[in-house]
Amino acid sequence: DAKTTQPPSMDCAEGRAANLPCNHSTISGNEYVYWYRQIHSQGPQYIIHGLKNNETNEMASLIITEDRKSSTLILPHATLRDTAVYYCIVRSNAGGTSYGKLTFGQGTILTVHP
Amino acid sequence: GAVVSQHPSWVICKSGTSVKIECRSLDFQATTMFWYRQFPKQSLMLMATSNEGSKATYEQGVEKDKFLINHASLTLSTLTVTSAHPEDSSFYICSASRTGGGYNEQFFGPGTRLTVL
Repeated sequence: DAKTTQPPSMDCAEGRAANLPCNHSTISGNEYVYWYRQIHSQGPQYIIHGLKNNETNEMASLIITEDRKSSTLILPHATLRDTAVYYCIVRSNAGGTSYGKLTFGQGTILTVHP
Repeated sequence: GAVVSQHPSWVICKSGTSVKIECRSLDFQATTMFWYRQFPKQSLMLMATSNEGSKATYEQGVEKDKFLINHASLTLSTLTVTSAHPEDSSFYICSASRTGGGYNEQFFGPGTRLTVL
């Protein structure tokens, strides 16, 4: 799987949009971009994923650049409960021995403050 | 939907004893489950991939005789830490893969905190 680069930490004011960037310049054509988050002492929570089109769900929006070398996760109205480590992961959904594996990097610690 | 549970949520044991951790997919069948380990202030590290009815595939550096994995049904995988030592103290997290109908998502359990005295 391709590696990702994320800033180690970010701050955001409550109620504002949180924009978390991720670089994945070596992503290949069949690899998806996944975002998970981990609140302290809990298991990771799936947020969203996409291949090349922008995606939106009830939690967040995912913007993927046209060349797919980077993406941004947007939490439109951050709350204190969104404070967590956010992981950007690229993963192939094709078969083979790596099927389904998620390789976690260090992620971005997002702190939402009042 | 897509709920994964783990039991116990925390356990304290003496050095040399064995500890079993259960991972269950509550509302879907999971042919593949994954076990991760997370040390304080570090990221998750994949330990092994567990496929129902077959032997687990361990990541490099993970001792398969120490971390026994059994995936006996489509909703249950167990991790047994044998002869646990203090350096095995960690946060163990499982995930279950939901596939089919265009899905290939992993859903994580809440984790089990193991402390070995």
